[in-house]
Amino acid sequence: GAGVSQSPSNKVTEKGKDVELRCDPISGHTALYWYRQSLGQGLEFLIYFQGNSAPDKSGLPSDRFSAERTGGSVSTLTIQRTQQEDSAVYLCASSAWTGGTEAFFGQGTRLTVV
Amino acid sequence: GEDVEQSLFLSVREGDSSVINCTYTDSSSTYLYWYKQEPGAGLQLLTYIFSNMDMKQDQRLTVLLNKKDKHLSLRIADTQTGDSAIYFCAERLSGNTPLVFGKGTRLSVIA
Repeated sequence: GAGVSQSPSNKVTEKGKDVELRCDPISGHTALYWYRQSLGQGLEFLIYFQGNSAPDKSGLPSDRFSAERTGGSVSTLTIQRTQQEDSAVYLCASSAWTGGTEAFFGQGTRLTVV
Repeated sequence: GEDVEQSLFLSVREGDSSVINCTYTDSSSTYLYWYKQEPGAGLQLLTYIFSNMDMKQDQRLTVLLNKKDKHLSLRIADTQTGDSAIYFCAERLSGNTPLVFGKGTRLSVIA
């Protein structure tokens, strides 16, 4: 596609429910990143996929968070048993390679846990 | 460890120059970036600089890098109201690492 697409754009869920957030990267981009942006905070790195390599999961805040990337393209971030502190904007980005070129960001999914 | 710091707020008058500063801790950073986030929008890359450069200019934007002090700045000349946004500094250590972002500087332009 023309840009990184994320869905849904907004999600309201009840505490304790599971949610899935989707990211469609730019076609052909081998690197894909998930970040979380909480109110008034910077971007917190969550997880990073590069080609067929094992993902870098070092930023996932707890074992309730997981992510997959199928076929080297679409990625899904899953949050199990959501908590109110999970409320944030979840941003996905992709880049063509892992060098100095830019990472293109999607518009994000705003998650609200009530 | 990696840490990127920025001041949280900056207010300037329309037509003045804005200077947004950033410090980072890892001297092995290879690439440094400036992203802009407008309200309700995703992040847009403004510019980036390789660590072997001291300066990069692109129209109204000037990036200065002081590797010795691990200091990066973004100067916006003739600041306009449309420049009001949050500006994020980010570093990347090497090809196979993710970008590390600062908390962002909220730039307010007063007409």
